[in-house]
Amino acid sequence: EVRLVESGGGLVQPGGSLRLSCTVSGFIFSDLYMDWVRQAPGKGLEWVGRTRNKANSYTTEYAASVKGRFSISRDDSKNSLYLQMNSLKTEDTAVYYCTRTGGVPGNWFDPWGQGTLVTVSS
Amino acid sequence: QSALTQPASVSGSPGQSITISCTGTSSDVGTYNLVSWYQQHPGKPPKLMIYEVIKRPSGVSNRFSGSKSGITASLTISGLQAEDEADYYCCSYAGRSTPVVFGGGTKLTVL
Repeated sequence: EVRLVESGGGLVQPGGSLRLSCTVSGFIFSDLYMDWVRQAPGKGLEWVGRTRNKANSYTTEYAASVKGRFSISRDDSKNSLYLQMNSLKTEDTAVYYCTRTGGVPGNWFDPWGQGTLVTVSS
Repeated sequence: QSALTQPASVSGSPGQSITISCTGTSSDVGTYNLVSWYQQHPGKPPKLMIYEVIKRPSGVSNRFSGSKSGITASLTISGLQAEDEADYYCCSYAGRSTPVVFGGGTKLTVL
């Protein structure tokens, strides 16, 4: 069964840090591109960032809104993806989804995890 | 990179067909045949319905179809059913450094 499970969300103060994790099963994780997508309460989907696979040197890309504050990493030996979020702002409050990126050069998302809620508030 | 433009809402009666548009630019929808569509029910993660403009993943009903003309992509749902009531988002590839851009979402109401 293909499964993505996020964890690590919670309440954090503005300026704080949080690390999200996503554990993947049912795929050969090392072959995958993986993305993070977020959804603020009552709002639409916003792409956050991407990590490519080993064959593509694990290169990463980030949305302008998070560049320099967020960092994506992965541990292929643990089938795990991470999102390190620093200097958090209230506008980062959202449900964060990890998703397998499909197609060439990576243009669709399936499946998605169930999401983890990050609330940035004092 | 600006979001793709979708209508905020559409509605239709059971059995009817509806179409949701998704307008981008020459940098995304207009250049790449790499548009995908997602269905999201309240409290659930998005579900891939269409990818690469016209392709349907295994298990998705053939009542869902996609198309594209110029900078506008479209999702058509035929034979509307109550279970189709959901939010729908389009997404387009937009280049290596900002790989994807989403639409603002469309709320579909089945009357």
